[in-house]
Amino acid sequence: DIQMTQSPATLSASVGDRVTITCRASQSISRWLAWYQLKPGKAPKLLIYEASSLESGVPSRFSGSGSGTEFTLTISSLQPDDFATYHCHQYNSYSPYTFGQGTKLEIK
Amino acid sequence: QVQLVESGGGVVQPGRSLRLSCAASGFTFSSYAMHWVRQAPGKGLEWVAVISYDGNTKYYADSVKGRFTISRDNSRDTLYLQMNSLRAEDTAVYYCARSPKLHNAFDIWGQGTMVTVSS
Repeated sequence: DIQMTQSPATLSASVGDRVTITCRASQSISRWLAWYQLKPGKAPKLLIYEASSLESGVPSRFSGSGSGTEFTLTISSLQPDDFATYHCHQYNSYSPYTFGQGTKLEIK
Repeated sequence: QVQLVESGGGVVQPGRSLRLSCAASGFTFSSYAMHWVRQAPGKGLEWVAVISYDGNTKYYADSVKGRFTISRDNSRDTLYLQMNSLRAEDTAVYYCARSPKLHNAFDIWGQGTMVTVSS
């Protein structure tokens, strides 16, 4: 199985900050990586697919980069609605798909 | 609007069975692969199973293989997860999600249904 290591586990930041979350794959996954935003009691939301493609309707302050084994999600200027948990997801191999352990973005 | 709504969660004793449903609306259900993903309390997301748009291809996580069965009824726009021989470690919020094909990101998710396995 492909292991996804996400860091940091928790990130404290303020409105207006630029933040970066990293995801590392245990083997190359090309660009088959997505990022999701999770909030309690709500449906998870796809933000980025194929490492850097912005899902329709997602604000442009979200961006993704990387290929192979190293990937990043960047939020250029944090807004109050962005405080949530973020997960990366590899879909290079669909037996099984795997997720990172998540990064909780907290208000400083 | 495009929507997935899970149902069927609850409290069940170890060793018993439960069937989850996921009702789709607002899109052509029969054109999409569908997944079940779960999140145990305090843990990350874990993919559980996938079924192709036509139901002919299914894959499972090792942790549920032989105990869980994914199925779909395209005439009813509904996805199912039959869970047998439930264990305490199956306790989680279960989400259904769609992807345009097997090898793709999950672009729409439901809000989840909670399954608690406890005596």
